[in-house]
Amino acid sequence: NAGVTQTPKFRILKIGQSMTLQCTQDMNHNYMYWYRQDPGMGLKLIYYSVGAGITDKGEVPNGYNVSRSTTEDFPLRLELAAPSQTSVYFCASEGLAGGGETQYFGPGTRLLVL
Amino acid sequence: AQSVTQLDSQVPVFEEAPVELRCNYSSSVSVYLFWYVQYPNQGLQLLLKYLSGSTLVESINGFEAEFNKSQTSFHLRKPSVHISDTAEYFCAVLGAGSYQLTFGKGTKLSVIP
Repeated sequence: NAGVTQTPKFRILKIGQSMTLQCTQDMNHNYMYWYRQDPGMGLKLIYYSVGAGITDKGEVPNGYNVSRSTTEDFPLRLELAAPSQTSVYFCASEGLAGGGETQYFGPGTRLLVL
Repeated sequence: AQSVTQLDSQVPVFEEAPVELRCNYSSSVSVYLFWYVQYPNQGLQLLLKYLSGSTLVESINGFEAEFNKSQTSFHLRKPSVHISDTAEYFCAVLGAGSYQLTFGKGTKLSVIP
């Protein structure tokens, strides 16, 4: 199993551009999450999904959108990039039961918005 | 809602010395508690977790943490650290019935040879 994979690894955007961060897991996990990590701030939850077709907002959803058309994929969309979205983005997945199980993290996408 | 406080942002320690990384939480409901570790330029990996039962939980690489409900703490300890333990450690809490992990701000452990 590859686990959780994320693409791209790095990206530089100009203000106002859009992009999609890809996340795929091959563990048949129902639960998937997007976090952003800023220096000294820990991880903040952006969006999460409890299964295909079901998504919900986390702590910091503004400026982002998600979709979950399949169990495997959970892309994160930035429509109008802003400097405040410069961060490291992590996708994670969690097993069938969720809540208290182990979250498995991808390697991250480093985004710089100029 | 839950919150997590990691009191130390950086902890330097000599190799083979003991270390304690502190974590306190607040919650109005019962909680599950986790410690994750992040090595440089990598994602987070679960180190250990407390769900129920024995309040002392251990990892495979010598770390342990004890859930103390009265002090709302879940401190991480290791009796003798190695250079390879250099990483950032995150404490996290999950409220019962919730799907959202709340992370602390992290503690950077630097092991000095």
